[in-house]
Amino acid sequence: KNEVEQSPQNLTAQEGEFITINCSYSVGISALHWLQQHPGGGIVSLFMLSSGKKKHGRLIATINIQEKHSSLHITASHPRDSAVYICAVGSGPPQLGNQFYFGTGTSLTVIP
Amino acid sequence: DVKVTQSSRYLVKRTGEKVFLECVQDMDHENMFWYRQDPGLGLRLIYFSYDVKMKEKGDIPEGYSVSREKKERFSLILESASTNQTSMYLCASSPRGGARGNEQFFGPGTRLTVL
Repeated sequence: KNEVEQSPQNLTAQEGEFITINCSYSVGISALHWLQQHPGGGIVSLFMLSSGKKKHGRLIATINIQEKHSSLHITASHPRDSAVYICAVGSGPPQLGNQFYFGTGTSLTVIP
Repeated sequence: DVKVTQSSRYLVKRTGEKVFLECVQDMDHENMFWYRQDPGLGLRLIYFSYDVKMKEKGDIPEGYSVSREKKERFSLILESASTNQTSMYLCASSPRGGARGNEQFFGPGTRLTVL
């Protein structure tokens, strides 16, 4: 059983479309993270959130603690958004910096 | 700017060889992590360290060992490489503490192929 489930696994969109990626988790969390991985491997952190909603440019992340669910939205998608998006849940003792549980990722392709 | 560097981007080794993967971070972070990433499985934690000379097993430590002699450096060792250790290896670091958890900063990854 995976502690973190993401959907969909693969997503193809036309440029300009509104995109939603979903993440459900079963562990107790200290924070939920959305990560982006471009071809070549490097991973960057997009959001860290523990409640409510955060917005950065065209990206919006929301979390519902009661339902143990988070969504990542991309408005006006662009080909440069093509990447793998990974949901990660931080859990465990804070003094250890939190162990992460990772979803398997959503591979997004945005077609011009 | 936080920087996590890994010693190689691509590495090809033969079965039975001893392999060293090195990771260095420049942000004085207490915590460092080694993951492997495989298609369909996502990132899986191999080992982590929350202080110099301290190490903890992650979910898949078998066939691996680690070394943390200095705060900025965390090494992953494959004592005798096998083909099932062909994978992408990612290092990460994070500061300690914070009731709501901390962001992890990732290195660029090392794609290891064991022939």
